[in-house]
Amino acid sequence: EAQVTQNPRYLITVTGKKLTVTCSQNMNHEYMSWYRQDPGLGLRQIYYSMNVEVTDKGDVPEGYKVSRKEKRNFPLILESPSPNQTSLYFCASRPTGGSYEQYFGPGTRLTVT
Amino acid sequence: GQNIDQPTEMTATEGAIVQINCTYQTSGFNGLFWYQQHAGEAPTFLSYNVLDGLEEKGRFSSFLSRSKGYSYLLLKELQMKDSASYLCADQTGANNLFFGTGTRLTVIP
Repeated sequence: EAQVTQNPRYLITVTGKKLTVTCSQNMNHEYMSWYRQDPGLGLRQIYYSMNVEVTDKGDVPEGYKVSRKEKRNFPLILESPSPNQTSLYFCASRPTGGSYEQYFGPGTRLTVT
Repeated sequence: GQNIDQPTEMTATEGAIVQINCTYQTSGFNGLFWYQQHAGEAPTFLSYNVLDGLEEKGRFSSFLSRSKGYSYLLLKELQMKDSASYLCADQTGANNLFFGTGTRLTVIP
């Protein structure tokens, strides 16, 4: 089944404790992206990647890092999480070209206390 | 892209037709998306318009006017399962997708 997977789905952590949210897709998509979704603010792009070893900042990159060492994986790293990073995070992927339709993962709900 | 404006909430009756409007900034425009998102779930793709006009797909249709920076999503024969948030998003360039805050639609019996 073609899908985007994220782990963990739920995470409660404390301020300053490094964490990684994994994202993997099995559709051989070149483009991958991370979003956060907050009430009243909609989905906002954090980082995106056009292909392996090619990443770029979205609208809200502060406090996040990403890497793209393999085509299928695009982990999101929070080196020192803070409470304002409490949010619902979505990973998405799409092929380059075509209709630009993005396929979203199931989401990761992160709480930083 | 950006400066996407859509109503925050709408209510409609089962079996009826509802139109959800979206306006966007036209500079750098490269396409307009509609996504459906049920509470706590991932957004799912509904439609993509890049040319002016109406695209019909079953009970859902989407319209675009590039010159006016305007789009709407039309839902016919509403069902209770259509209660969800509907996200308008514009594509600028090849890489950036800007989402509106979404319209929460409640379908009542």
